[in-house]
Amino acid sequence: GQNIDQPTEMTATEGAIVQINCTYQTSGFNGLFWYQQHAGEAPTFLSYNVLDGLEEKGRFSSFLSRSKGYSYLLLKELQMKDSASYLCAVSGGSGGSYIPTFGRGTSLIVHP
Amino acid sequence: DSGVTQTPKHLITATGQRVTLRCSPRSGDLSVYWYQQSLDQGLQFLIQYYNGEERAKGNILERFSAQQFPDLHSELNLSSLELGDSALYFCASSVTSGIENEQFFGPGTRLTVL
Repeated sequence: GQNIDQPTEMTATEGAIVQINCTYQTSGFNGLFWYQQHAGEAPTFLSYNVLDGLEEKGRFSSFLSRSKGYSYLLLKELQMKDSASYLCAVSGGSGGSYIPTFGRGTSLIVHP
Repeated sequence: DSGVTQTPKHLITATGQRVTLRCSPRSGDLSVYWYQQSLDQGLQFLIQYYNGEERAKGNILERFSAQQFPDLHSELNLSSLELGDSALYFCASSVTSGIENEQFFGPGTRLTVL
């Protein structure tokens, strides 16, 4: 099976930097996704990491360490609109399955 | 707007009933995915179709079935509904069958079983 852990809730101040961590235990690994989901809306794709290291995309960056089963999403220059749930999902299981398993999500609250 | 459409937006029904949820993928996308999101289970992958064929199966109950039609739209059928089936059902699409491809989610169908 697969197990994905991420904090339930985080708070941060507008303009600051926040790091959302995700740890996983899987029998196989193909890649790791991060999605953003505003309340009552559909998830939107943020990033997909396959190899170790940091990938930067504007204000958002995602890091992966496959040996440690660890990833983080880094959000810089926080804006109020960044208040949302951030979902970590791992693709991969026994037999090289590409079926994604999602964490429960981290609810980020950005204060003025 | 992701370009993925889902109907209906809301659905209220009773236990034991059967419903059909519909999804139209983005123009040009061949792959369709169905997800269920409930408060206690989070977002769960149900099933994937690619160009009319089932490609991957997740935690989909036997009471649930899906298909993708020649025009690439997809339907998710839920039967013998139970209270626990109340959830948001999302459809997503991507260009190819590889799950590593960016998926574009529709607005979802909120199902309430009374």
